[in-house]
Amino acid sequence: NAGVTQTPKFRVLKTGQSMTLLCAQDMNHEYMYWYRQDPGMGLRLIHYSVGEGTTAKGEVPDGYNVSRLKKQNFLLGLESAAPSQTSVYFCASSYGLAAITDTQYFGPGTRLTVL
Amino acid sequence: AQKITQTQPGMFVQEKEAVTLDCTYDTSDQSYGLFWYKQPSSGEMIFLIYQGSYDEQNATEGRYSLNFQKARKSANLVISASQLGDSAMYFCAMSRPWSTGRRALTFGSGTRLQVQP
Repeated sequence: NAGVTQTPKFRVLKTGQSMTLLCAQDMNHEYMYWYRQDPGMGLRLIHYSVGEGTTAKGEVPDGYNVSRLKKQNFLLGLESAAPSQTSVYFCASSYGLAAITDTQYFGPGTRLTVL
Repeated sequence: AQKITQTQPGMFVQEKEAVTLDCTYDTSDQSYGLFWYKQPSSGEMIFLIYQGSYDEQNATEGRYSLNFQKARKSANLVISASQLGDSAMYFCAMSRPWSTGRRALTFGSGTRLQVQP
């Protein structure tokens, strides 16, 4: 039982390049999330999904796209990377059974640098 | 607006002693959840403990307990018998009812705990 895994762990991009971050979970969770963590700002939600084939915008969605073609996978794409997207990206998942008690479990993070 | 405040940017504690990490929150919701996560230097976010706003008893998980004072809107994390491996960043977070349309947890800015031998 690996929990939530993220690929890659580190990546350096040049401005304008594109990339996809992959998140996988083996806990049969319905909900999946992508957050970014910037110094002094806690975590902010980029996009989330409440089930296979669904996605929705979070607090800071601009410049990112997502897809959830399979229940266990949630992909985050950057079409044209910008230096402002330099951050640590976390994927999380949860059962989605009840709102306030729904514990989110996080992956190990991806450290992305955009030059 | 919902907000989590962690006023202690850094804390030191001696090994085997107890330590309290402060968390205060602001919300207009009647029901909400409070979470604590640990982020060691390796970077992952580890779920520690949960407290629901309607729970009358303080949550406990092993050496972790949550001192929940609803009237004061505080949800402090207490770590008993600190260990060197407890050195990490600790985040307090809050959930909201889904009727608000909000799925994200609201995180505080974190407290860095250093356990000294």
